[in-house]
Amino acid sequence: QVQLVESGGGVVQPGRSLRLSCAASGFTFSGFGMHWVRQAPGKGLEWVAVIWYDGSKRYYADSVKGRFTISRDDPKNTLYLQMNSLRAEDTAVYYCARDGGRGGYFFFDYWGQGTLVTVSS
Amino acid sequence: QSVLTQPPSVSAAPGQKVTISCSGSSSNIGNNYVSWYQQLPGTAPKLLIYDNNKRPSGIPDRFSGSKSGTSATLGITGLQTGDEADYYCGTCDSSLSAGVFGGGTKLTVL
Repeated sequence: QVQLVESGGGVVQPGRSLRLSCAASGFTFSGFGMHWVRQAPGKGLEWVAVIWYDGSKRYYADSVKGRFTISRDDPKNTLYLQMNSLRAEDTAVYYCARDGGRGGYFFFDYWGQGTLVTVSS
Repeated sequence: QSVLTQPPSVSAAPGQKVTISCSGSSSNIGNNYVSWYQQLPGTAPKLLIYDNNKRPSGIPDRFSGSKSGTSATLGITGLQTGDEADYYCGTCDSSLSAGVFGGGTKLTVL
């Protein structure tokens, strides 16, 4: 069965960096696009970034462009989100989610359980 | 402020039907497929509808989706107390090259 398990969340000071990981299993990871979606406490869902199945395309929300980088390691079946210059407004639960196809479908058929990132001094 | 507009809340009695609307523009809903997600309290979202009106395996046919122009609708029939959750619409915005969601709708089954 498809499983996505995020890790790497925690408390970090403003301006610092953090890297999230998402370990995938139960499907051919290299055949699917992958996304990060976040949810601030008590708020709605916010799409963050997508990477195509082959890594050829990456797109970001304006709110994180230039600060966050999505990447993937197919031999390790792992998705990453490198977050730099963190701000208080980046505080959220971060979910990794599988794209319905190779990256451009923008529907999310499987989700991880999420990892909480808290940006605070 | 979300790109897609949903009502903050809807309510209905058990066994009844409810619809949740999602309004966008030509750059998102008007030219892309819409998906819908259910988020039960304290859990990750779950895909209910994709490609406007398709249900993943395991999703009961009480849940349905439709799209017309720049708006989409999620329908739920035979409401159960277990359907109480937040519901989100989502799609791609071609002008932003980004995914977008509605602000979410809280469903209360009275």
